Amino acid sequence: SQQGEEDPQALSIQEGENATMNCSYKTSINNLQWYRQNSGRGLVHLILIRSNEREKHSGRLRVTLDTSKKSSSLLITASRAADTASYFCATGETSGSRLTFGEGTQLTVNP
Amino acid sequence: GAVVSQHPSRVICKSGTSVKIECRSLDFQATTMFWYRQFPKQSLMLMATSNEGSKATYEQGVEKDKFLINHASLTLSTLTVTSAHPEDSSFYICSARDLEYRYNEQFFGPGTRLTVL
Repeated sequence: SQQGEEDPQALSIQEGENATMNCSYKTSINNLQWYRQNSGRGLVHLILIRSNEREKHSGRLRVTLDTSKKSSSLLITASRAADTASYFCATGETSGSRLTFGEGTQLTVNP
Repeated sequence: GAVVSQHPSRVICKSGTSVKIECRSLDFQATTMFWYRQFPKQSLMLMATSNEGSKATYEQGVEKDKFLINHASLTLSTLTVTSAHPEDSSFYICSARDLEYRYNEQFFGPGTRLTVL
């Protein structure tokens, strides 16, 4: 069964704006990862945050993790039309374990 | 680095036939590969975990006799959908985990779109 819930399910913004997506999960985790999927394509790994980390940055991406609330957020700053895609969070319960994916957020960035 | 390929990218078959999908790690060795299924506008559902040289581990509700998995080498895993039916039409995605580094990260193939008529 799916562990993660993401909100919003869909997000539409203008180019240049920031986009924030949230993910909640139910069990204890070792790590949480964010992936992007363009329509009809495979997934691209964006960023991994470990359970003992609270925040991580990669380029225009910022991920936070709150293990007390069992939630994470992905912030994309200065969005571009090319950021239009579905974004999924995925949790790993132990190091190297299988991943459980959230429901995903469909992000549309309008030029 | 860390490229995973899938073949074919798209397949259309008649009901009752079997379809084989290949997943290859092109530039790294993967003892573990994962097979997912994704229905339109839904998330990925893990079907099975494929370990090189041993039997695959199937998720609850996934029929192992219908979805045959073979992981014969460190760079190749195959998924065979046997006696396919229209309800098996879906997007099948594999992923592989690198032995050497970034152990928690999975690298995904581009997916295979299966349509069963």
